[in-house]
Amino acid sequence: DTAVSQTPKYLVTQMGNDKSIKCEQNLGHDTMYWYKQDSKKFLKIMFSYNNKELIINETVPNRFSPKSPDKAHLNLHINSLELGDSAVYFCASSLTSGPHEQYFGPGTRLTVT
Amino acid sequence: AQKVTQAQTEISVVEKEDVTLDCVYETRDTTYYLFWYKQPPSGELVFLIRRNSFDEQNEISGRYSWNFQKSTSSFNFTITASQVVDSAVYFCALFNAGNNRKLIWGLGTSLAVNP
Repeated sequence: DTAVSQTPKYLVTQMGNDKSIKCEQNLGHDTMYWYKQDSKKFLKIMFSYNNKELIINETVPNRFSPKSPDKAHLNLHINSLELGDSAVYFCASSLTSGPHEQYFGPGTRLTVT
Repeated sequence: AQKVTQAQTEISVVEKEDVTLDCVYETRDTTYYLFWYKQPPSGELVFLIRRNSFDEQNEISGRYSWNFQKSTSSFNFTITASQVVDSAVYFCALFNAGNNRKLIWGLGTSLAVNP
């Protein structure tokens, strides 16, 4: 019973394509996040949703659009993929948007060619 | 401004050595929280510890210990008798409610424990 799951684990696609990554948590948490980790391991918060409401929206190109159909799911859609989008994308969840530990999914390695 | 500095980019030790990973933070808030996460070669991020700014007691969990010193704005992490399985990237992070309720992450320290 995986606490935070992401699909797919690997995604290889060409520039210009559109792709989606799905995330689900079964922890009953209210808050979910998307992070991008680049090749130097730098972790950058992209978005956060609390009970389906967007609460953090960092400086991210508007080609990235998150969607939270319910508080257990947070998906990430990326339009017109670029080479620089290649990274590992992590979904995470926490009990609330407060200072709680975050539980991370296994990551999705996106490679844009 | 809030900031987390992990000055050690990479550390390499031999098994059974003790190793300390440094974390220095900056914040103007009086209430804040500090975290450590581990990212082993398999890639997943694992929560290790959370500390709030009012609790300066050191914490020990098995071979892991944390030294929180507000006077030097540091929250250092020591692994005693390191093992190969400790090889990972370790991240320190800071949370304060006044910062859009997000974690500010350090750049991580890559620890290699060699047999």
